[in-house]
Amino acid sequence: AQRVTQPEKLLSVFKGAPVELKCNYSYSGSPELFWYVQYSRQRLQLLLRHISRESIKGFTADLNKGETSFHLKKPFAQEEDSAMYYCALSEGGGFKTIFGAGTRLFVKA
Amino acid sequence: EAQVTQNPRYLITVTGKKLTVTCSQNMNHEYMSWYRQDPGLGLRQIYYSMNVEVTDKGDVPEGYKVSRKEKRNFPLILESPSPNQTSLYFCASSLGPGTSPFFGPGTRLTVL
Repeated sequence: AQRVTQPEKLLSVFKGAPVELKCNYSYSGSPELFWYVQYSRQRLQLLLRHISRESIKGFTADLNKGETSFHLKKPFAQEEDSAMYYCALSEGGGFKTIFGAGTRLFVKA
Repeated sequence: EAQVTQNPRYLITVTGKKLTVTCSQNMNHEYMSWYRQDPGLGLRQIYYSMNVEVTDKGDVPEGYKVSRKEKRNFPLILESPSPNQTSLYFCASSLGPGTSPFFGPGTRLTVL
């Protein structure tokens, strides 16, 4: 069955430290993978998608099909990065979306 | 201003009393979707719609109905709510699959 796993419910790092939010998936086809972010009191919003290979707010994510992973990374965490992060997989031509349980990132000063 | 609106934002109801949560978008998006968010489970897709009169089930459709009579509106209907439907509900819209979605502000539903 298709599944997205985010093993860490909470990740706490110091400002300026590197951060990696883990995401593993199981999917039989070619997945479309995304990272979403939800800042406090704000709506959920798309952060980045693997097909565009972009860097948003310093975050990058590489799809590793061998390890079925799509980890989100940032070399130097900032306090404003504190938020809830969701990894998601789209299937069915992109209409069906499966979300992971989310990881709360807390960046300490 | 481009937006997705949901009403009501908060609702407390009792088991079995039919309710509707409305969702409306002003961006002429073809694709709309409903999710529920529960602690430890993340977001789970309830239903989605590719266009007017075209809807399909997501991962957790049981106990829910939807309709898409107009492009801008995608109401979520609970015919006979039960306590296990207590959750935070989000509506989202986008131009199409894989495009950046706009999420609504959420509706917090409590079923007693």
